[in-house]
Amino acid sequence: TQLLEQSPQFLSIQEGENLTVYCNSSSVFSSLQWYRQEPGEGPVLLVTVVTGGEVKKLKRLTFQFGDARKDSSLHITAAQPGDTGLYLCAGAQNAGNMLTFGGGTRLMVKP
Amino acid sequence: KAGVTQTPRYLIKTRGQQVTLSCSPISGHRSVSWYQQTPGQGLQFLFEYFSETQRNKGNFPGRFSGRQFSNSRSEMNVSTLELGDSALYLCASSLGPNTGELFFGEGSRLTVL
Repeated sequence: TQLLEQSPQFLSIQEGENLTVYCNSSSVFSSLQWYRQEPGEGPVLLVTVVTGGEVKKLKRLTFQFGDARKDSSLHITAAQPGDTGLYLCAGAQNAGNMLTFGGGTRLMVKP
Repeated sequence: KAGVTQTPRYLIKTRGQQVTLSCSPISGHRSVSWYQQTPGQGLQFLFEYFSETQRNKGNFPGRFSGRQFSNSRSEMNVSTLELGDSALYLCASSLGPNTGELFFGEGSRLTVL
């Protein structure tokens, strides 16, 4: 049973389009992180959100943590081929580095 | 600053054998976590070590074990390999046990035949 449900699982879009990836749970998380993983590599941390309602921006990427700290979203504006990859959300429920990962969203941006 | 180094990158074993994977964390990082990544189950937590002590353990059988050395390097071992153990094993390091921000290595891809 996945504690964190990510949607969509797959997304194929054209360069320039916008997209949103969702990460939902019935559990409360003390913090939530987003990672991006490219083939043959380990996940790379993009952002950490810790406060309910928090919004963080990283260039064309906007991350939001739900008010109840049970869900999060990642919005990409004007996607580029370099954004292609597997996007993973991961939540921490207590102190420590034991993270629960969502199933991932595989994004392909076509030029 | 060197990243997380995992060895070996690729290995092939047969059922019943055992395997040891190694992880060198980023210099100065004292916490090491291990995750298993498979197409069906995604990323699943195996265990976490800090100061040579296991702090947390995931829901894996006892065939999976690990340890951490005084220089923060870590190893994980899987005994009596099964076909289902084929996966990418990822090591992640962090400054301490409660940062929640992990820096992953490139992984060790294990294939069990």
